[in-house]
Amino acid sequence: DAGVIQSPRHEVTEMGQEVTLRCKPISGHDYLFWYRQTMMRGLELLIYFNNNVPIDDSGMPEDRFSAKMPNASFSTLKIQPSEPRDSAVYFCASSLLELGANVLTFGAGSRLTVL
Amino acid sequence: KQEVTQIPAALSVPEGENLVLNCSFTDSAIYNLQWFRQDPGKGLTSLLLIQSSQREQTSGRLNASLDKSSGRSTLYIAASQPGDSATYLCAANDMRFGAGTRLTVKP
Repeated sequence: DAGVIQSPRHEVTEMGQEVTLRCKPISGHDYLFWYRQTMMRGLELLIYFNNNVPIDDSGMPEDRFSAKMPNASFSTLKIQPSEPRDSAVYFCASSLLELGANVLTFGAGSRLTVL
Repeated sequence: KQEVTQIPAALSVPEGENLVLNCSFTDSAIYNLQWFRQDPGKGLTSLLLIQSSQREQTSGRLNASLDKSSGRSTLYIAASQPGDSATYLCAANDMRFGAGTRLTVKP
């Protein structure tokens, strides 16, 4: 398996523009997580899905953020409109609940810069 | 809501030294704790997973322990090497991460 695949790897955009980040989880994994990492706040859980259903979105900072998982092999995180404070590295991770434990596998991340 | 704390925030040691990284969590109803490594500009790589029924896990020079009653986990690195330099993060119940400890091992 190619692991968790995220795109784009780098995105530079202007304030007010819509940003869409994409994630392809490992085939067979039934959990998918979106995280945001900044120097100030560290790694924050934004939302996670189980079997394509959002379970906990309490970490989504504002209504400008939305996430979808239309099928088991694809998820998107959308920011509309984007703001400079959204600049961060966004990670997607997937896992399979096995023997009572989830072992997270992370993608390489999408570095977002909002000017 | 589970809160995870890692101390120290940064650590610098000479090569060959044994060291311990600490992770504290607030909710003792933990079902597993996972340690990760992150190299600069990279994603996270899983190192060790300890389930609540276990007290420790070992992989090579790494040993992680879990004490639910005290709300603590430790990551022990034996005979540290410059290649161990990275940020180490712990995550409770798979989701909530600490801020990490940035480790530098000097040759």
